[in-house]
Amino acid sequence: GQNIDQPTEMTATEGAIVQINCTYQTSGFNGLFWYQQHAGEAPTFLSYNVLDGLEEKGRFSSFLSRSKGYSYLLLKELQMKDSASYLCAVGPSGNTPLVFGKGTRLSVIA
Amino acid sequence: GAVVSQHPSRVICKSGTSVKIECRSLDFQATTMFWYRQFPKQSLMLMATSNEGSKATYEQGVEKDKFLINHASLTLSTLTVTSAHPEDSSFYICSARGSLNEKLFFGSGTQLSVL
Repeated sequence: GQNIDQPTEMTATEGAIVQINCTYQTSGFNGLFWYQQHAGEAPTFLSYNVLDGLEEKGRFSSFLSRSKGYSYLLLKELQMKDSASYLCAVGPSGNTPLVFGKGTRLSVIA
Repeated sequence: GAVVSQHPSRVICKSGTSVKIECRSLDFQATTMFWYRQFPKQSLMLMATSNEGSKATYEQGVEKDKFLINHASLTLSTLTVTSAHPEDSSFYICSARGSLNEKLFFGSGTQLSVL
């Protein structure tokens, strides 16, 4: 079966660092994606990991451990505009659809 | 980066009417497109997978006669909500992937409100 878990909600302070975790169990694995979605808008791509390790892109970093079925998204120097839902998604294999987690709603407070 | 265009962004219609939503890949050929539905504060729910030149594959619980999908070319897929009812009111999002292992690009979404 396919199962992706991530926390439902998180709150963090402006300027701080927040880590959003994601664990997955899928019948295959062809990469893990993180998307950001603001209310009423479509998701936008943040990162893609297919090999173990940390991928850094500006204020955003994503980590993957395939053996543990685990990933996290790290957001540094939080800004108010980072308040959004963050979706973890796994590509099981081949051309099958991405499997999305339920998303983590992040609220950044002053 | 690759762009997926979705139109219309918002539509309000009367119950019983049909609504067509278009999804276009603007600068790449999308062999596969996916249609998702999202209710407020919930995650994306895959409705169907659309492959160019063949019939769409629908997820369990999605009525293929109600949600008609046509993927007639490598750059265009359409979703038609037939005989729409208020419970069909939702945010519909298309996405496209050009080839294997490529990230998914999303359209801007269509907010459907059925009165």
